[in-house]
Amino acid sequence: KNQVEQSPQSLIILEGKNCTLQCNYTVSPFSNLRWYKQDTGRGPVSLTIMTFSENTKSNGRYTATLDADTKQSSLHITASQLSDSASYICVVRGSYIPTFGRGTSLIVHP
Amino acid sequence: NAGVTQTPKFQVLKTGQSMTLQCAQDMNHEYMSWYRQDPGMGLRLIHYSVGAGITDQGEVPNGYNVSRSTTEDFPLRLLSAAPSQTSVYFCASSRASEQETQYFGPGTRLLVL
Repeated sequence: KNQVEQSPQSLIILEGKNCTLQCNYTVSPFSNLRWYKQDTGRGPVSLTIMTFSENTKSNGRYTATLDADTKQSSLHITASQLSDSASYICVVRGSYIPTFGRGTSLIVHP
Repeated sequence: NAGVTQTPKFQVLKTGQSMTLQCAQDMNHEYMSWYRQDPGMGLRLIHYSVGAGITDQGEVPNGYNVSRSTTEDFPLRLLSAAPSQTSVYFCASSRASEQETQYFGPGTRLLVL
């Protein structure tokens, strides 16, 4: 069964600090992996997409990594801001139907 | 572009009532999908469509119907609402490729009493 596991479930950090969110998956075959940001009361918005051949991709203060051998991805947030408070969802796609993780809830305190 | 729009934003139904959740996109996307999001769970696919006139079931299709008569619109119908259908519903659209970004609507919050 295709699964996407995210950790931690929730995280509280101080503004300006860095953090790393983890995503492990068992989806097969593998097409791509996306990280989405979902603000409270809004729909998810794509941050970055990783394909099989990519190890690292950055989008501003967000850097995603992918290890296709161990089926792990991470999302690193640098110099966190209050606006980073949100749920971060890892989504892995093999066929058309994607598999969603349950998300990591990040709270950034001033 | 308005992107993906959903109506209504909130709805309260009684058990057994029927209703239609509306979804529209103005980006000429071929793919459209409906998801439900419940506390502590990831988004789950209800139904999807790869183009006008074509629909297929996702992970949790029971109790829901869809149709795709135009490229722009993809309504979700609850035939006889049940409390288990209390959830937040998201519509998404994308171009016809697995590599393409899915764009999500703002969601419809549904409470079934």
